[in-house]
Amino acid sequence: ETGVTQSPTHLIKTRGQQVTLRCSSQSGHNTVSWYQQALGQGPQFIFQYYREEENGRGNFPPRFSGLQFPNYSSELNVNALELDDSALYLCASSDGTVLREQYFGPGTRLTVT
Amino acid sequence: AQSVTQLGSHVSVSEGALVLLRCNYSSSVPPYLFWYVQYPNQGLQLLLKYTTGATLVKGINGFEAEFKKSETSFHLTKPSAHMSDAAEYFCAVRLGGGGADGLTFGKGTHLIIQP
Repeated sequence: ETGVTQSPTHLIKTRGQQVTLRCSSQSGHNTVSWYQQALGQGPQFIFQYYREEENGRGNFPPRFSGLQFPNYSSELNVNALELDDSALYLCASSDGTVLREQYFGPGTRLTVT
Repeated sequence: AQSVTQLGSHVSVSEGALVLLRCNYSSSVPPYLFWYVQYPNQGLQLLLKYTTGATLVKGINGFEAEFKKSETSFHLTKPSAHMSDAAEYFCAVRLGGGGADGLTFGKGTHLIIQP
């Protein structure tokens, strides 16, 4: 069974640029959630995709957007990067059942300069 | 809306001593509660969870937690600390039942183990 994988591991971007982060969900999982973890903080929920549609969103602006593909992998896109977007971005997948448990990937460390 | 408060950003215990990490939550409906551990430069690993049923929950690595509805608490304990337990610990809450999975996390507690 393959776990949740994320790419790239690290990324450095300049303010105002756009970035795309990728996540492959665990085998058999149809739901993907994205979280932002700033340094020294707990993760914050960005949004969730279930069967290719967004079905939940946290308190993040529209410049944070996503996609989920038919194989349930997912992308997180961030436009017009700001310095405060520097964080660890975590992807988590689950199987969509009532007692669903989220399995986290190792994260992508984004630095905005 | 739900929220989580973790008391103590840093907790230091001696190797072999009791570990107690505190978590209080607020939720408008019966919650699902979780404890995750994060080692440096890694993602989150689930230690244990409470959904329904028995209020004392046992997890991996000898950790357990007790759901106390009257105190809105879900404190994490381990009888005897090991050096390998040094890590960041996060308590999280999610609304029970259907709907989006978004977890609400506390700010975390850094556990330090003294030799």
